[in-house]
Amino acid sequence: EVQLVESGGGLIQPGGSLRLSCAASGFSVSSNYMNWVRQAPGKGLEWVSVVYSGGSTYYADSVKGRFTISRDNSKNTLYLQMNSLRAEDTAVYYCARDTMVRGVVRYYYYGMDVWGQGTTVTVSS
Amino acid sequence: QSALTQPASVSGSPGQSIAISCTGTSSDVGGYNYVSWYQQHPGKAPKLMIYEVSNRPSGISNRFSGSKSGNTASLTISGLQAEDEADYYCSSYTSSSTLRMFGGGTKVTVL
Repeated sequence: EVQLVESGGGLIQPGGSLRLSCAASGFSVSSNYMNWVRQAPGKGLEWVSVVYSGGSTYYADSVKGRFTISRDNSKNTLYLQMNSLRAEDTAVYYCARDTMVRGVVRYYYYGMDVWGQGTTVTVSS
Repeated sequence: QSALTQPASVSGSPGQSIAISCTGTSSDVGGYNYVSWYQQHPGKAPKLMIYEVSNRPSGISNRFSGSKSGNTASLTISGLQAEDEADYYCSSYTSSSTLRMFGGGTKVTVL
């Protein structure tokens, strides 16, 4: 079964650090584009970061320089290292698989088709 | 990087059709056919409903359809059912350095 399971959320003081994990089963994180998406309480979805299968990483402006996305292929797990946390980082964090396939004449994008259940991060003193 | 623009709410009666718009720019919605739509029920993870503007993943009802004109994409739900009541988000690839963006979300209410 294709599945993503996040962990590592919790209550952390402003300025602190936290590492989120996203364990994948049924597919390889190294062969796919993997994203972190967050949702603040009562708010909409906000894309946070993506790591491409080739290893390139990209970040939302709101977290650039503070968050780092990475993966451990041997553990088939995606991570999000969050430093210098702020109150506005309080959210449910989801990991999601994002599939883009190179065709003969163009790339085919299949959307974020697999999501985890989310892990809650609360930044508060 | 501003979010894509969606109406805050849309409502309809059972059996009716509704449409949700998603407006971006030529750098995102208008420039690529990489628009996707997600449904989210309260307390649940988002679910992919449409990819590449108008394609439905396996298992998604054909009551859901997508289209695009210029910088605006749309999700249409026909034959509205009570279970369709949820939040809906559009998303697009973007040529900006962030590469991905979401709309602000639309709450669909079935009257």
